[in-house]
Amino acid sequence: GAVVSQHPSRVICKSGTSVKIECRSLDFQATTMFWYRQFPKQSLMLMATSNEGSKATYEQGVEKDKFLINHASLTLSTLTVTSAHPEDSSFYICSAFFVAGGGDTQYFGPGTRLTVL
Amino acid sequence: QKEVEQNSGPLSVPEGAIASLNCTYSDRGSQSFFWYRQYSGKSPELIMSIYSNGDKEDGRFTAQLNKASQYVSLLIRDSQPSDSATYLCAAYTSGTYKYIFGTGTRLKVLA
Repeated sequence: GAVVSQHPSRVICKSGTSVKIECRSLDFQATTMFWYRQFPKQSLMLMATSNEGSKATYEQGVEKDKFLINHASLTLSTLTVTSAHPEDSSFYICSAFFVAGGGDTQYFGPGTRLTVL
Repeated sequence: QKEVEQNSGPLSVPEGAIASLNCTYSDRGSQSFFWYRQYSGKSPELIMSIYSNGDKEDGRFTAQLNKASQYVSLLIRDSQPSDSATYLCAAYTSGTYKYIFGTGTRLKVLA
């Protein structure tokens, strides 16, 4: 299957700082990537759809000025959590869309666990 | 509102038994269906994809699709304790670039 990496895997920061998370498709080009958030024992929540070369599409209730998304190349999307607060502590997971003849498939990165003190 | 529904479980099965996980979807336009496995504290991992009515087998896993009934299932044969995880069902309509995920079914395989 296609490989998606995410960095860092874990980050602890102080309240008020900004944190950048990188998502890379390693062996394929992804014009579309997704960012999810998952709280403990809850289901995945789609935050935004990241499109290469254009603005991200945010889901209802997700603040675009707080969660900045940049999809600058066909293999890299970044999520920046600005002025992080303890309530932003969560598991952030990216995924990349692999378009193939047999079907369009979404592959997930390993996730980034963010803890805001 | 397009939805994918799953029983949250937990579904408990003894080791060696067949685990049957079920999923229904509301959008008749959905064409592709996926099963992901998510271990606690980890991200989802693709297990199976299925696009046509009928069965698709891959090792111990069999996915079943019935578009008329809007029903997708995953069978796990010879269940192992290592299969204990949450299984997410997802539906996709080509061109929408958006998966609709179910909330997942927690499977426990008892040794």
